[in-house]
Order: sequence, then C-alpha cells, then structure tokens
Amino acid sequence: GQNIDQPTEMTATEGAIVQINCTYQTSGFNGLFWYQQHAGEAPTFLSYNVLDGLEEKGRFSSFLSRSKGYSYLLLKELQMKDSASYLCAVRSYGGATNKLIFGTGTLLAVQP
Amino acid sequence: DGGITQSPKYLFRKEGQNVTLSCEQNLNHDAMYWYRQDPGQGLRLIYYSQIVNDFQKGDIAEGYSVSREKKESFPLTVTSAQKNPTAFYLCASNPPESGGQPQHFGDGTRLSIL
Repeated sequence: GQNIDQPTEMTATEGAIVQINCTYQTSGFNGLFWYQQHAGEAPTFLSYNVLDGLEEKGRFSSFLSRSKGYSYLLLKELQMKDSASYLCAVRSYGGATNKLIFGTGTLLAVQP
Repeated sequence: DGGITQSPKYLFRKEGQNVTLSCEQNLNHDAMYWYRQDPGQGLRLIYYSQIVNDFQKGDIAEGYSVSREKKESFPLTVTSAQKNPTAFYLCASNPPESGGQPQHFGDGTRLSIL
C-alpha cells in the first residue's frame, strides 16, 4: 500500500526553529514535495527533494532519506505568517504517469 | 501571467442536482488533476488527465465525471450520485515528466449542499 504520515498539529514560537517530519511508504518513489497551505487557499510549492540530502531555500530547508522513507521540512526564524498547514507529497511513478500522493498535512501554529 | 483559473469560488448544490466546476489553464501544461480536500485532511485525487481526450480515475472517482476536450480545460462534474459533495475542490496542472517541476494549483472551489 501507499502511506504518508505527518504529525497533525505543531506549535512553535516566533523567531524559533521548527522541524516537521514526514514518513512515507510508496511504490516507485520519484520525488518528494513540500507545500504550504493557508486556510481556505490553494497550496503553494515550497521545496522538492529527489536525492538524499538537504535542500536549502532561504528560511526553509528540506531533507530526504530515501532508504528510511523519511523527510523533514525545517523552518527557521519563524514568523507569524508561517502559521499554516504544511503538506508532504510523494510523487509515485506508476506506468506512464507521475501522480502525487499527499499526506494529511501538519497544522503549524506560530505563537508570539 | 500564466496560471490556473477555477470558477466559481463558491458553489451550492441542491439535492439531486449535478454541478460543474470549471478549471482553465494557460500554462500549456499537458497534465491536469482534480483533488478534493475535506477539513483537516490532505488532498485526495479524483481524476487526472495526461493528454487531451484521455483521463484516468484517481482514488475517489465515484460520483464524479470529467472531460478533456481541450488542453486548456478540465471541467469536473459533481453528480447526484456523490452523496457527500461538501468539500474544497482544487484543480492542478504540471508539465509532463519534468523532474522537480511542482504541480500548480488553482484557487479552489468550495462546494456546499443547500
């Protein structure tokens, strides 16, 4: 089967660092995406990993370990506007199509 | 600017009624997708299309139908057979087989039952 697990909720303090974990079990792994979604809005793309290691993009970094089926999103210098849901999505290669399988999302609350 | 346009933003359905959600993109993307999102849930795939005149069922296709007569357009019909249609519907597209290119999303349609 295919499964993606993320914590349901997290709370962090403004200015701090937070790590959101994602574990997955899928067939034909072909990349992992992180999206940010504010309430009532569409998801926006944050990062992409296909090889093991860390990808850094400003205040956001994402890590992947394919052998462990594990990724995390690291948010530094948290701001109030970072309060949102963070979705982990795995691209699963199946035949001629690449579909995204989404986790249920982690709702992050940033407190003053 | 290129993007994905979904309409309407809000839609209400009566019992026994079919409703159609519009999705148009001018990104010249071949692949298009429809997702459903329930409160506190992730996105679940309803239907997807890799090329014009072809589409495939996703994980929760029952009670829905689609068409792909033009590259730019991928409308979703929520039929009366879908007994629990209240949800946030998102349309997405991406270029074909292109590595780190993410799916682009429209702003969504929120569907409710009257």
